[in-house]
Amino acid sequence: AQSVTQPDIHITVSEGASLELRCNYSYGATPYLFWYVQSPGQGLQLLLKYFSGDTLVQGIKGFEAEFKRSQSSFNLRKPSVHWSDAAEYFCAVGSLPGGTYKYIFGTGTRLKVLA
Amino acid sequence: DTEVTQTPKHLVMGMTNKKSLKCEQHMGHRAMYWYKQKAKKPPELMFVYSYEKLSINESVPSRFSPECPNSSLLNLHLHALQPEDSALYLCASSQEGVNSYEQYFGPGTRLTVT
Repeated sequence: AQSVTQPDIHITVSEGASLELRCNYSYGATPYLFWYVQSPGQGLQLLLKYFSGDTLVQGIKGFEAEFKRSQSSFNLRKPSVHWSDAAEYFCAVGSLPGGTYKYIFGTGTRLKVLA
Repeated sequence: DTEVTQTPKHLVMGMTNKKSLKCEQHMGHRAMYWYKQKAKKPPELMFVYSYEKLSINESVPSRFSPECPNSSLLNLHLHALQPEDSALYLCASSQEGVNSYEQYFGPGTRLTVT
């Protein structure tokens, strides 16, 4: 069965430091992978997506992610974190059960940024 | 316009009330979704409409009743809810077709059942 694992429930970094959020997936075929960010009490905003092609994908707000098939990973990175990046981050894999597309979300990683 | 709107933003209802949540998008998307999200948890899929037809119902209790009047609108009718149904209800939409699977989420309706 398809699954997504985000091993880190909480991560704390200092403003200006680099960031890496981990995501591991289990999927039988080439996955469609996504990273979303959610600020408290808000909806989810798409940061970036991977469908195929270049394994390093660029997203909004200075984020990037690298797809590594051999490690079944799709880790999110940012070279320098801003205080406004504090939020919940969800990794998701798209699946097509019975021909209708839906997401499987990871459990999320809450990012705290220290001034 | 890449916006999904949801009304109301907040809703407090008693267990005997009937209320509805509304979602609207004008991006021409043909798939729309309802999710339920409890605090500190990922969104849980409830329903998917594809081309205005219900294509996924994730075994949601009948006290939740979805409706898709047209391709831009999605409603969630609520009746006889339980306190454990209190949550953030998110609507999302996506464009059908290959390589168009990203979902656009609304800000959500914060529901409290008393």
